[in-house]
Amino acid sequence: DAGVTQSPTHLIKTRGQQVTLRCSPKSGHDTVSWYQQALGQGPQFIFQYYEEEERQRGNFPDRFSGHQFPNYSSELNVNALLLGDSALYLCASSRQGGSKNYGYTFGSGTRLTVV
Amino acid sequence: AQRVTQPEKLLSVFKGAPVELKCNYSYSGSPELFWYVQYSRQRLQLLLRHISRESIKGFTADLNKGETSFHLKKPFAQEEDSAMYYCALKLFGNEKLTFGTGTRLTIIP
Repeated sequence: DAGVTQSPTHLIKTRGQQVTLRCSPKSGHDTVSWYQQALGQGPQFIFQYYEEEERQRGNFPDRFSGHQFPNYSSELNVNALLLGDSALYLCASSRQGGSKNYGYTFGSGTRLTVV
Repeated sequence: AQRVTQPEKLLSVFKGAPVELKCNYSYSGSPELFWYVQYSRQRLQLLLRHISRESIKGFTADLNKGETSFHLKKPFAQEEDSAMYYCALKLFGNEKLTFGTGTRLTIIP
């Protein structure tokens, strides 16, 4: 089992551009969460997708959007990139059991640099 | 809003000495607390969660609701414990994990 797979591993974009990051969850997991980790900081929750819908959202602007596909994989889109969006973007997958979460598995992340 | 504080950015401990990584949280209810670890060139992984009350790799953590703390402890440090450690909080029924800023633990041989 490859666990959580994220692509690409590194990305350089210009300010104002748009970017799409991808995540394939661990086998058996149906829920995907996205986190932003700035240098020297802990991960910050962006949003979570379950059953192809955004289930919960953190304190991030509408420039950050996402999608979940029927195979449970997910995309994170960021529009109108700012220099401050430079960070490591982590995907975490989990399995829902009613209201119970069985724990998160993290991917290695995508390092986004905005110049 | 909930908050997790890890007061030490860096911590160095000699091999064989006891380790304590501090974590304090601010939330008036009953959260679920976790410790995550990231070894060099590896991904973030769960070390332990308070509801399991288990010991993983010799580490334990007790939730102290009076002091709102969830310190991570190990009686005898090993070189392979060198890593980045994050304390995280989750509210029951809520999907969001709130992380602290992390503590980089270095074990001195």
